[in-house]
Amino acid sequence: GALVYQYPRRTICKSGTSMRMECQAVGFQATSVAWYRQSPQKTFELIALSTVNSAIKYEQNFTQEKFPISHPNLSFSSMTVLNAYLEDRGLYLCGARDDRGDAEQFFGPGTRLTVL
Amino acid sequence: GDQVEQSPSALSLHEGTSSALRCNFTTTTRSVQWFRQNSRGSLINLFYLASGTKENGRLKSAFDSKELYSTLHIRDAQLEDSGTYFCAAEGMPNYNVLYFGSGTKLTVEP
Repeated sequence: GALVYQYPRRTICKSGTSMRMECQAVGFQATSVAWYRQSPQKTFELIALSTVNSAIKYEQNFTQEKFPISHPNLSFSSMTVLNAYLEDRGLYLCGARDDRGDAEQFFGPGTRLTVL
Repeated sequence: GDQVEQSPSALSLHEGTSSALRCNFTTTTRSVQWFRQNSRGSLINLFYLASGTKENGRLKSAFDSKELYSTLHIRDAQLEDSGTYFCAAEGMPNYNVLYFGSGTKLTVEP
């Protein structure tokens, strides 16, 4: 079956520092990976969509300078939160899918970011 | 986001009873997914629908792309069904990502 792993599951960083999170797809080829942030109030925000061999598309209010993303192959993606501040806290989720088949998206368990 | 309106925001059921959640979409929607989020934050895939209905055990979902809504029916609710349920629509403005509803917190009580 299709599985998505994320690590770390939890991380705490000091205000102004950076942290990197990783997403790995197993059992299918992740031609696209979307990164989301779920706020403490449980609402979801789309950060960016990454498609292998295409430019990464960032949503309004999110930039490559703040959330650089790497998607080097069909099983792995990473995102860094640079200069994290309190408003960056939340649960970061990656959703991966194989665009060549069924469009169902599979999610990792998330990386919970706490900023002190 | 604004593209997906989910209701109710909270629901309390006694074991053995049934109910339904609903999502209305404000724009063209190509497919819908339903998830249950557990207490640790993991999103568990329940259904993916491009049209019609699907059933899995005590859960049944329907998606009407013309009338722009989807439903999730929970039959004979059990304690382990408790959690927060989200619908997510694939549609405008970007067909390759999901736009999530605001969630329904379901509590099943003995």
